[in-house]
Amino acid sequence: SQQGEEDPQALSIQEGENATMNCSYKTSINNLQWYRQNSGRGLVHLILIRSNEREKHSGRLRVTLDTSKKSSSLLITASRAADTASYFCATDAATGYALNFGKGTSLLVTP
Amino acid sequence: GAVVSQHPSRVICKSGTSVKIECRSLDFQATTMFWYRQFPKKSLMLMATSNEGSKATYEQGVEKDKFLINHASLTLSTLTVTSAHPEDSSFYICSAYTGGNQPQHFGDGTRLSIL
Repeated sequence: SQQGEEDPQALSIQEGENATMNCSYKTSINNLQWYRQNSGRGLVHLILIRSNEREKHSGRLRVTLDTSKKSSSLLITASRAADTASYFCATDAATGYALNFGKGTSLLVTP
Repeated sequence: GAVVSQHPSRVICKSGTSVKIECRSLDFQATTMFWYRQFPKKSLMLMATSNEGSKATYEQGVEKDKFLINHASLTLSTLTVTSAHPEDSSFYICSAYTGGNQPQHFGDGTRLSIL
């Protein structure tokens, strides 16, 4: 069953601005991952954060994890038009298990 | 990096046709692959877990006789949609687990349209 819930469902910003997306989940997790999906394409893995980690960076991406609140956030800094896509958080209960996806945030970055 | 190839990318066929979708891990062995289904503007829903050399594990509500999964080798899993009908039209995506505490890697998906 779906576990993650992203917020907001849709986000529209201008190039250069920062985009923040939030994800909440319901049960204990092993890892939380963020993926990007361009329209009609597969998923591209962005970043994985383990349950014992609180923050992780990768380029313009910053992910936080608060296991006490069962929530995570994805921050994209200095956004570009190419960042336009849907972003999903996904959790797994244990290593090698299937992922539970949230509903996703649709991000539109306008030039 | 780990690459998962999914083929075909798009299928359009008549109602009653069976369609086979392949998912290959190109540069790693995957003992476990997953099949997901995605409706327009919706999230991914797990259909089944495919384990090499054993029967797939299906999620509740997914008909195993409708969606046949074969994981014949460590690099290939196939999903066959049997006697497809318009309601089976969807975006099907596979993923492969590389091992350890690593992320899953996804194929590019297959857009299935049943007329």
